Amino acid sequence: LAKTTQPISMDSYEGQEVNITCSHNNIATNDYITWYQQFPSQGPRFIIQGYKTKVTNEVASLFIPADRKSSTLSLPRVSLSDTAVYYCLVGESNYQLIWGAGTKLIIKP
Amino acid sequence: GAVVSQHPSWVICKSGTSVKIECRSLDFQATTMFWYRQFPKQSLMLMATSNEGSKATYEQGVEKDKFLINHASLTLSTLTVTSAHPEDSSFYICSATRRQGAGEKLFFGSGTQLSVL
Repeated sequence: LAKTTQPISMDSYEGQEVNITCSHNNIATNDYITWYQQFPSQGPRFIIQGYKTKVTNEVASLFIPADRKSSTLSLPRVSLSDTAVYYCLVGESNYQLIWGAGTKLIIKP
Repeated sequence: GAVVSQHPSWVICKSGTSVKIECRSLDFQATTMFWYRQFPKQSLMLMATSNEGSKATYEQGVEKDKFLINHASLTLSTLTVTSAHPEDSSFYICSATRRQGAGEKLFFGSGTQLSVL
């Protein structure tokens, strides 16, 4: 099961673009990369999922290089409400996800 | 989007009592649900995988007799913390798998904060 490494914390300011990078050197061929957001005392919320190259949805973009050993979650124009913990997970299915420590993102006014 | 409802949101109980937490998939059928425990400022730890109509699969180190899981229908799984003690105080979260297209997506409940006095 692939493990991930993320920065423990990051901070930024409202209106900025925030990029959080995750390392997953042992990612397997069939593994997908999924990012979740968690607010205090709430369950995680799905943000985005990808396999390779770039994926974009209404809230974020996910950049995955060709070797897939890392991925970058990009949040455009963050607001105070984006302050949360962001988790990067790698696995073939929901049955194989290992939750790392996540990245605590703090957005300042 | 799919909704997973978890109840109660918080519960305070006396040591030695049992507490039941419900997890419901409101608008889809979930053949598999997962239960997690999360201590303050720590990540989620998978406790068990709950399959409808069969026994749950527990992760190593999780006592199945203490954390009873029942998945009696395609929309409901329950976690009962039996004879709760202060060290069982934690944030408990459930999730459910829903098929979307060729793959599956995981949806989480809002969590239950358990405080054992």
